[in-house]
Amino acid sequence: DAKTTQPNSMESNEEEPVHLPCNHSTISGTDYIHWYRQLPSQGPEYVIHGLTSNVNNRMASLAIAEDRKSSTLILHRATLRDAAVYYCILRGANSGGSNYKLTFGKGTLLTVNP
Amino acid sequence: SAVISQKPSRDICQRGTSLTIQCQVDSQVTMMFWYRQQPGQSLTLIATANQGSEATYESGFVIDKFPISRPNLTFSTLTVSNMSPEDSSIYLCSANRDSNTEAFFGQGTRLTVV
Repeated sequence: DAKTTQPNSMESNEEEPVHLPCNHSTISGTDYIHWYRQLPSQGPEYVIHGLTSNVNNRMASLAIAEDRKSSTLILHRATLRDAAVYYCILRGANSGGSNYKLTFGKGTLLTVNP
Repeated sequence: SAVISQKPSRDICQRGTSLTIQCQVDSQVTMMFWYRQQPGQSLTLIATANQGSEATYESGFVIDKFPISRPNLTFSTLTVSNMSPEDSSIYLCSANRDSNTEAFFGQGTRLTVV
């Protein structure tokens, strides 16, 4: 599995934007970039995913570098409820069970200050 | 979206016994997975639960220790056999409809072995 590198932790203030970086220099052409987050005492939840173009949804935006070797998850206005561990994960798009699974790294622990 | 229910949510078990964890999805899904999250750690994939056939185990996990069933497209069980204190972890069930959609996670089963 292609690996991702994320900072261990980041800190933000409430109502400010947060940019969470992820490096994935060995990404293959068919790998999707997925972001999940895990709030305290909960299972992970999906945030966003993309392939080449930037993506927006109600939770966040995903900015993907032109060479796809890095990406940034953007929370436009952090709230206290956004405090969680954020995981950047690469997942293949080909059919077959092995490409459905998610391989979790250590993620980035985001602290949001009031 | 899909809702995943896990039972039990937590348990305290004696060493040497076994515990079966149930995972119920509210709609049919293609793939189901079982993860383990040890205290303070990230998620580690145990196995892919295959409908109608034997589960596919990741390196370091074996069927005798973690037997898995998946009798249909909405239900799976994970058994933690002959438990020791080292098996104390959170066990999470996950499901996917296909490789290009998000994964859903249960809330986890917090297991303590004494």
